[in-house]
Amino acid sequence: NAGVMQNPRHLVRRRGQEARLRCSPMKGHSHVYWYRQLPEEGLKFMVYLQKENIIDESGMPKERFSAEFPKEGPSILRIQQVVRGDSAAYFCASSPNLQGGVTQYFGPGTRLTVL
Amino acid sequence: RKEVEQDPGPFNVPEGATVAFNCTYSNSASQSFFWYRQDCRKEPKLLMSVYSSGNEDGRFTAQLNRASQYISLLIRDSKLSDSATYLCAVGYNNNDMRFGAGTRLTVKP
Repeated sequence: NAGVMQNPRHLVRRRGQEARLRCSPMKGHSHVYWYRQLPEEGLKFMVYLQKENIIDESGMPKERFSAEFPKEGPSILRIQQVVRGDSAAYFCASSPNLQGGVTQYFGPGTRLTVL
Repeated sequence: RKEVEQDPGPFNVPEGATVAFNCTYSNSASQSFFWYRQDCRKEPKLLMSVYSSGNEDGRFTAQLNRASQYISLLIRDSKLSDSATYLCAVGYNNNDMRFGAGTRLTVKP
């Protein structure tokens, strides 16, 4: 059973370009979470999605950032007009559709560098 | 106030030492509790779930105090390979989860 997959693993963009980060959850998991981790800092929640629905986006910056989890295909985190401060590791996690709080399993992350 | 707070560390301990991490959470609606381990430049990996009755896995013991809203992780006879950042996490009934900022542990020979 393949784990959570993220690609690309490393992404370099120049200021002003767009970054698209992809996440494929574990088989059978319908919940996806995105986190950002700045160097030497903790994991910061960004957004929680189920298929075709955003459940909680309280951690998403108001501008330039968007996320989707379509019926078919991976979840996408999109950052428009990237700035140097967007350089970070972006982790995706997934969990099954169970009640009562479930474990999240993380992908290897995408390291975004903005030049 | 952050939803989940941890000792920032770093903790530097000799091999064989016992080390304890604490974590407090502010939302009494929290349903589930976990400790994750994160190695440098890697993704967090589940270390153990935390139950009200407390649970043990080898050298690791996790405890939950719902009344005081804190969870703890005890590592006995620490090894060099235990060096990592330890993250506590609290989950909610809607499957949402929040993580602490992590506590860095370095075990030295």
